[in-house]
Amino acid sequence: SQQGEEDPQALSIQEGENATMNCSYKTSINNLQWYRQNSGRGLVHLILIRSNEREKHSGRLRVTLDTSKKSSSLLITASRAADTASYFCATDAVDTDKLIFGTGTRLQVFP
Amino acid sequence: NAGVTQTPKFQVLKTGQSMTLQCAQDMNHNSMYWYRQDPGMGLRLIYYSASEGTTDKGEVPNGYNVSRLNKREFSLRLESAAPSQTSVYFCASRAGGARGYTFGSGTRLTVV
Repeated sequence: SQQGEEDPQALSIQEGENATMNCSYKTSINNLQWYRQNSGRGLVHLILIRSNEREKHSGRLRVTLDTSKKSSSLLITASRAADTASYFCATDAVDTDKLIFGTGTRLQVFP
Repeated sequence: NAGVTQTPKFQVLKTGQSMTLQCAQDMNHNSMYWYRQDPGMGLRLIYYSASEGTTDKGEVPNGYNVSRLNKREFSLRLESAAPSQTSVYFCASRAGGARGYTFGSGTRLTVV
């Protein structure tokens, strides 16, 4: 079964609003990553947070990680129509060399 | 820099036919991966190769074989295609350690 589960499955907001997506996982991890996928395209790496980090920023992206709850969140601030895409969390589990993906959140940002 | 290149981009097969999906990366990455993505779902790992000369099964390996031909190339073979293998296939690579993956643009496969 897939490692990560994301919530919500779909999110619709207006431009300028913030978007928050959550990810839960099951096992111990080395790091957690977030990816973006535009419709019909490949995935693009957004940000990586290590297991000993609690928060990380990159531009308008803010990621938090709570290893005690096995959960992470991705916040996109001041969203734009161009942020419309699917967003996936992926976990790099301890003692493996593979990335396991969640089911994704479809974000729609209306102009 | 091309990154990760997948060929072909589209393919239609008849049930029982075989084919090989090709993947090549020019970033000198150690690890390479094959995923499939079904409509409305995340990616599921089929096979991966942590280094040249090694391959391991992922979550959904049945019906597939792989070859890590050299450090650059990692191919995925369907010996006898089935309609359940209709999907979009993504190849990815990474250098190793705590780094993100680089994905190809995908191969859309339809088995009729």
